[in-house]
Amino acid sequence: GENVEQHPSTLSVQEGDSAVIKCTYSDSASNYFPWYKQELGKRPQLIIDIRSNVGEKKDQRIAVTLNKTAKHFSLHITETQPEDSAVYFCAATHSNDYKLSFGAGTTVTVRA
Amino acid sequence: DTAVSQTPKYLVTQMGNDKSIKCEQNLGHDTMYWYKQDSKKFLKIMFSYNNKELIINETVPNRFSPKSPDKAHLNLHINSLELGDSAVYFCASSQGNGPEAFFGQGTRLTVV
Repeated sequence: GENVEQHPSTLSVQEGDSAVIKCTYSDSASNYFPWYKQELGKRPQLIIDIRSNVGEKKDQRIAVTLNKTAKHFSLHITETQPEDSAVYFCAATHSNDYKLSFGAGTTVTVRA
Repeated sequence: DTAVSQTPKYLVTQMGNDKSIKCEQNLGHDTMYWYKQDSKKFLKIMFSYNNKELIINETVPNRFSPKSPDKAHLNLHINSLELGDSAVYFCASSQGNGPEAFFGQGTRLTVV
């Protein structure tokens, strides 16, 4: 099955700086890579995703990159704000599959 | 309107008891899931149903029994609760085998 590794496990950044979270996956058949944000006590919410036919996707301050050859993908948050503080999860799956394999999560703290 | 709703939000019970968690989605999705989030925040799939049929059953003790009376509902019944069952249980749904999953607000189960 798919195995997703995520680094770092914790990340502390100064407000306004950038944050980068990296994930690797094991199954070369995986073709969909979402990122979820989970605030304390809340549900995971999809913030951005990328499919294997695309190398990069951007949505305002958030961007995701995918390197299929190396089997890794990354989340970039620019101009971080206190409300970006949360746990971020990467995940991987194949579009014919019925489950998401999640990374272990990264706790991001944005210092004011 | 809540897209994926689960009840109860909190559940405290004694070891050995039997309990149920209910989930309903009003998104018209075909596929529903149960995920378990442990104390280290790790998210792991337990079950996946597509059009009321069990698709995925991930090495979960048979004390856990999901039931899907229709494609908008997926309930989770747990027999003979153990201390190690304490976790947050998330219901989720997606359209067909489309991997974009929408999560419920979670049920925090505490077994004492």
